[in-house]
Amino acid sequence: SQTIHQWPATLVQPVGSPLSLECTVEGTSNPNLYWYRQAAGRGLQLLFYSVGIGQISSEVPQNLSASRPQDRQFILSSKKLLLSDSGFYLCAWTGRVYGYTFGSGTRLTVV
Amino acid sequence: EDKVVQSPLSLVVHEGDTVTLNCSYEVTNFRSLLWYKQEKKAPTFLFMLTSSGIEKKSGRLSSILDKKELSSILNITATQTGDSAIYLCAVGSGAGSYQLTFGKGTKLSVIP
Repeated sequence: SQTIHQWPATLVQPVGSPLSLECTVEGTSNPNLYWYRQAAGRGLQLLFYSVGIGQISSEVPQNLSASRPQDRQFILSSKKLLLSDSGFYLCAWTGRVYGYTFGSGTRLTVV
Repeated sequence: EDKVVQSPLSLVVHEGDTVTLNCSYEVTNFRSLLWYKQEKKAPTFLFMLTSSGIEKKSGRLSSILDKKELSSILNITATQTGDSAIYLCAVGSGAGSYQLTFGKGTKLSVIP
């Protein structure tokens, strides 16, 4: 069966520090992968999606970036965090069925 | 720009009440509409709707899609305190990669 792993679960980082969140999927190949962010009081916002290794599409301009170095690995990064980057970050994947499976999420607090 | 609007934004009911949550959308290349329940962490999948007029049911929850009206409702009967959560509506679209556009959610609070 397919599973999605996301870590860390919580993170407190100072402004200006770098960020790296990792997501991996098991039990499937060539998934579509997504990063979403949920800020307080707002809906889930699509940040990046990827349909294959090295293929990244950005939905929202910001100081975040994403990479897909392997088929089932998706990484969200930042060189310098801003206060506004605080939120709940969710990785998700889709396969052949039109539904999303979400990772457990990372709650990021930038202080 | 794709848009999903949910109403109400929040709702407080007593145990045993029946609630109806609304979702309307404007998207290009509609493929599906999904409902999720989010408690403290990641959203959990409830329903996926692709065909108009066909009700999907799971226990006390049910949902139906109206493609003509570009909307969907989620019904919860005989609510329980465990139903307290944020209910998210999302619409799947995209000719290539499948993307979800989420509404802001409806926060449901069920009080004893």
